[in-house]
Amino acid sequence: DAKTTQPNSMESNEEEPVHLPCNHSTISGTDYIHWYRQLPSQGPEYVIHGLTSNVNNRMASLAIAEDRKSSTLILHRATLRDAAVYYCILKQGANNLFFGTGTRLTVIP
Amino acid sequence: NAGVMQNPRHLVRRRGQEARLRCSPMKGHSHVYWYRQLPEEGLKFMVYLQKENIIDESGMPKERFSAEFPKEGPSILRIQQVVRGDSAAYFCASSQGFAGNTIYFGEGSWLTVV
Repeated sequence: DAKTTQPNSMESNEEEPVHLPCNHSTISGTDYIHWYRQLPSQGPEYVIHGLTSNVNNRMASLAIAEDRKSSTLILHRATLRDAAVYYCILKQGANNLFFGTGTRLTVIP
Repeated sequence: NAGVMQNPRHLVRRRGQEARLRCSPMKGHSHVYWYRQLPEEGLKFMVYLQKENIIDESGMPKERFSAEFPKEGPSILRIQQVVRGDSAAYFCASSQGFAGNTIYFGEGSWLTVV
């Protein structure tokens, strides 16, 4: 399973943008970059995914480096409900997801 | 997330009893995955199934654990002769199974072994 590296924790002030980094230097050409988040006592929630181009959806934006060795999840305006553990995962084909330790995001009111 | 249905949400079993966890995938999804999360730890992959077939069970403990996804009905994760160390949250997920598709998770089943 391809490996990703994320900071253990980050803090953000409420209503400010948050940039969550992820390094995946061993990514292969067919790996998709997926982001999930997990709130306490809940199942992982899909956030966004991409292959090569930057992606936007109602929850977040995903910026993928040109060499695909890193990516950044962008929350445009953090709210208290965004406090969670965020996982960056490389997904190969139809296979399952391998979760790392993720980044614990704390949002300060 | 709301589309994958797991039950029961909470289950208490005495040591030595059996636990059965059920998962109904999202409509149109034929691939099911089971994950386990021990207290204060990350999610660990257990098993990946397609209808009537086990695709990958590399994360399943060799004894006492089994999973099935029959042609009709939900996927079942079965734990025989439970021990205290089996206490965890068990998450089911489903997908359509093609490259680049999204895997959606259920809310989990919390097993407590007393």
